[in-house]
Amino acid sequence: EPEVTQTPSHQVTQMGQEVILRCVPISNHLYFYWYRQILGQKVEFLVSFYNNEISEKSEIFDDQFSVERPDGSNFTLKIRSTKLEDSAMYFCASTYTSNQPQHFGDGTRLSIL
Amino acid sequence: DQQVKQNSPSLSVQEGRISILNCDYTNSMFDYFLWYKKYPAEGPTFLISISSIKDKNEDGRFTVFLNKSAKHLSLHIVPSQPGDSAVYFCAALRPLTSGTYKYIFGTGTRLKVLA
Repeated sequence: EPEVTQTPSHQVTQMGQEVILRCVPISNHLYFYWYRQILGQKVEFLVSFYNNEISEKSEIFDDQFSVERPDGSNFTLKIRSTKLEDSAMYFCASTYTSNQPQHFGDGTRLSIL
Repeated sequence: DQQVKQNSPSLSVQEGRISILNCDYTNSMFDYFLWYKKYPAEGPTFLISISSIKDKNEDGRFTVFLNKSAKHLSLHIVPSQPGDSAVYFCAALRPLTSGTYKYIFGTGTRLKVLA
């Protein structure tokens, strides 16, 4: 069964550095999402992306965050200047249509020191 | 913003018995609900869903019930198996003006099935 893959599985970064989290959605999917889960808290929506543009973003997704689909397969989340509170699991998800169940990757654990 | 709530952070059930996981929501605009299961170090995996026009959907050992008047849904697992031990998230879909949907997740319930 096709999967959403995320790399790296764990990223350790110094505060203030830029970090790029990478995702390869399922190949025929058209809608792409990023979520985060701070330890012990709920899964929070960050952003959705469709037709090469952001379709929805949450209050968390401020100017430090950006997303890109640089080619036909990758979907990336960039955090420009990381803060300690950015430490979390970041999940990528994709769907073919927006109201279908989302398929999630296994996440990238981001640790900011 | 707690539009979707799972008030029980954890639940323990004996193997073979029924597990009932509950979820409450506040927004009547939600038109689709889903349950996801999450094992440690893995992403959430879709389990079962229900449209707001239905009150029950069944898939094998898993049944989801929706009570729209109470704004409540529940997931029944019967019989429960040790492999069902995981964190279960309910999620609601809210239609957006863009024509897309937004997922809103509950906080999760950790189910432990005891052998």
